[in-house]
This record gives sequence, C-alpha cells and structure tokens, in this order.
Amino acid sequence: GQQLNQSPQSMFIQEGEDVSMNCTSSSIFNTWLWYKQDPGEGPVLLIALYKAGELTSNGRLTAQFGITRKDSFLNISASIPSDVGIYFCAGQPFDRGSTLGRLYFGRGTQLTVWP
Amino acid sequence: GAGVSQSPSNKVTEKGKDVELRCDPISGHTALYWYRQSLGQGLEFLIYFQGNSAPDKSGLPSDRFSAERTGGSVSTLTIQRTQQEDSAVYLCASSLKIRVGGAGETQYFGPGTRLLVL
Repeated sequence: GQQLNQSPQSMFIQEGEDVSMNCTSSSIFNTWLWYKQDPGEGPVLLIALYKAGELTSNGRLTAQFGITRKDSFLNISASIPSDVGIYFCAGQPFDRGSTLGRLYFGRGTQLTVWP
Repeated sequence: GAGVSQSPSNKVTEKGKDVELRCDPISGHTALYWYRQSLGQGLEFLIYFQGNSAPDKSGLPSDRFSAERTGGSVSTLTIQRTQQEDSAVYLCASSLKIRVGGAGETQYFGPGTRLLVL
C-alpha cells in the first residue's frame, strides 16, 4: 500500500520562529492536502494542492506540491501560540484502481509553541 | 448544518456490546469516508462510499465492523461485540467528488465520536 512519511514527528519552537514540515510518498500523488487538528476536534483543512509545482499560501502558511509529485512541504512563518496542534499531510495517489478516492495520511507533526 | 456532523460526541460502552456511530455529511457531497484515530496516532482509513458504487471496505479491521449509507446521505458505522482495542476516535469525512482530481477530492471532517470500551 501507499506509504506517507511525515517529518518531523514533533517540534518545539519559540513564538515568532518559522516552522517547516514535509511529507514524502512512495508513489506519485495527484493531490496533496494539509490539515491541522486541535485537541478534541476533527482535522481542519489548511491548504489543498492539485498540481505539481503548485505553491499556495493561506495567511502565514505556505505549502508546495513537489515537482516530482512525491512530496509536499508546509511552512508556517512567525509562529504564534495558537499554531499549537497536530499537522497532518494527506495525499490522493495517482491510481485508478479500487482505492481511488481514499486519502492516505501521514502520522502527523505535533507542534508546540512556547510563548 | 454547513459542516459534517457526527453523533454521539462521546460513547462509553461495555466490552461485548454493539455500538452505532452516525455521520451526516455536507449536503451535496457524494463521497463519505470513515477513519479511526487511536490516541496519539494518525488516521486509519476504514471505509469509503462514493455515490451508488460498491463501498471500498478494504480498511475495516475485522468483520465486527460494518457501515452503511442510506439514500446517499447519512452513514452509520456499526461495531459489534466491541473490544477494548476498539477504543478510539472515529472520524467521518465527506467530499464533493464530481470527478477525479481537483477540488472535489478535498475531504472535510466532522468532529469525531470518541468511543471508550470498558
């Protein structure tokens, strides 16, 4: 099956610092999504990417769909305490088999921001 | 409502009992997904419904797990003879899914049902 490797597993940073996390896959993906999950909540979509090389921003967040279609990264600039949470990458593989439509998720990056 | 809703929010049950978890997708979304998230873990795919097609059940961990989607809208995930290892957060998501690729693939999640099996 598809494997998504998300790193780092956790990050402890000071308020104001920039953050970078990434996700790699073992095969080509045609969609990359980044979600954030707060404690006790479901994941909330941050950024969606649909084309290789696409670079998309959402406020202080920037994400890119890797040119090889096997990776994606998420950057957070000037972090603030409310950025705390778990960030998940998710991808839709380029596959027309029975698993079409299924998203594969990374294991998450736990972000802690110290004031 | 505007988003995906799930009920109940929390469920505590005794080992061996059956439980039913409900998901109301976003109106007009043709695809519906169930995931399981154990404490501190990522999301584990369970089952996927797309329109009138046969569901993709490849993620269901055992035959104690089943799901149905009535009328192309509401879905129920049933766990029979619950075990302690079934304790987790069960998340439902839906997507527009008009065609392959593009914005229709984006999944929107509900808040989850927290299941505790004693």
